[in-house]
This record gives sequence, structure tokens and C-alpha cells, in this order.
Amino acid sequence: NAGVTQTPKFQVLKTGQSMTLQCAQDMNHEYMSWYRQDPGMGLRLIHYSVGAGITDQGEVPNGYNVSRSTTEDFPLRLLSAAPSQTSVYFCASSYGPPSTSPRTIYFGEGSWLTVV
Amino acid sequence: SQQGEEDPQALSIQEGENATMNCSYKTSINNLQWYRQNSGRGLVHLILIRSNEREKHSGRLRVTLDTSKKSSSLLITASRAADTASYFCATASNFGNEKLTFGTGTRLTIIP
Repeated sequence: NAGVTQTPKFQVLKTGQSMTLQCAQDMNHEYMSWYRQDPGMGLRLIHYSVGAGITDQGEVPNGYNVSRSTTEDFPLRLLSAAPSQTSVYFCASSYGPPSTSPRTIYFGEGSWLTVV
Repeated sequence: SQQGEEDPQALSIQEGENATMNCSYKTSINNLQWYRQNSGRGLVHLILIRSNEREKHSGRLRVTLDTSKKSSSLLITASRAADTASYFCATASNFGNEKLTFGTGTRLTIIP
């Protein structure tokens, strides 16, 4: 059971380049989310999805696109990378409803992105 | 904006001592969770407390929640060198937890 898998682990981009951070989970989780973590800060929500075909914006969505064509995958796209997007990115997943108790969230190991 | 603020930002204690970290948040919540992050790694879920609970234990961890003060504390007893990590609180407004709001974290260093 691989859990939540993120690729690549490390990436350096030039300003203006585009790229996709991949996230896959093998736990049949409905919910998936992307967060970014900047030095000295907690994680901030970029985008999330409550099921295939359904996505929504989080706290810091500008500059990022997402899609959810399958339950397993939730890629995060940077259309035109900027130095302000230098960060560590985490993908997370959990089961969705129905539920009478909070769902446990599983995080990937992170993707370190540097934009120069 | 960050929902949770954690205090202290950094904490160094001797091995065997107890470590206490505090978290404050701003809006109503369904539950509050604590995570550990080792340097260069992802987050690991430690413990969750629901809004209708006041205290919860898990091994050497004790979490309290005061919804009237919008605050929580995490106590790690009998600390070990392996507890050295950053600790984050996160709040959720519903059971789904698809949208967590994280605090800024406490960097805990255990001195052998």
C-alpha cells in the first residue's frame, strides 16, 4: 500500500516555465487536496477536490490549476512559474462522506519546487 | 490568512522533560488536529479532538481543547530525542477535513 505518492520530489524551474506536480493515492479516497508550505509558516490550501470531476479553490489558488479526472490522481499545474511559487508542496487525501466522525488525512512526502 | 497561531515558535527541552505547545484559532470548528513534521518530510497525523471534547490522550500525548477561548494545547510527556520535530495544529470546519487550516507551527528540540 503506497499511500499518497508525489512526484517529482525536487524540481527547479525557470520563471515562466510550466510544469505539473503529480499526486496519486491508492486508498480509494474521495477527498484530495494540495497545500503549499513556506518557511516559518504552516500549510496553506491551494485547491481541493471532493471527488472525480469536482474541484474548488482554497486559500491561495492564484497561479495554479487542478483537475480530477480519476479518483486516484490529482495533478497540480503551474502555468507560468514565478519565484513566489518557490515552496514545498504537499498533497493530501482522505475518505469522504457519509461520516459521523472526522476523517483521517494522509499526506504525501512533499515536492520541493524552486523557481529561479 | 492563517487560522491558527502557535506558541511558542520554538522550544528546547531536556530529554525526559514534558513539552507543551499551544494553538489558538479564530472561527468555529468541527475538530482540531495535531501533526508532526520531521525535517524534510511530510506531515504525520498525531491526534484529533472534536469540538465537543475537552481532553484526549494517546500514548504520551495529551490534547486539550477550550472552545470558549478558541485554544488547544498539546502535551508530550517524557520527551525523547525522536520527538524532535515541528508540530502543527490544524482546524477543520466539518467531518470531511478536505479543507484544513494550519497554524504556524512549533519547532521542538529535545536535548539528549
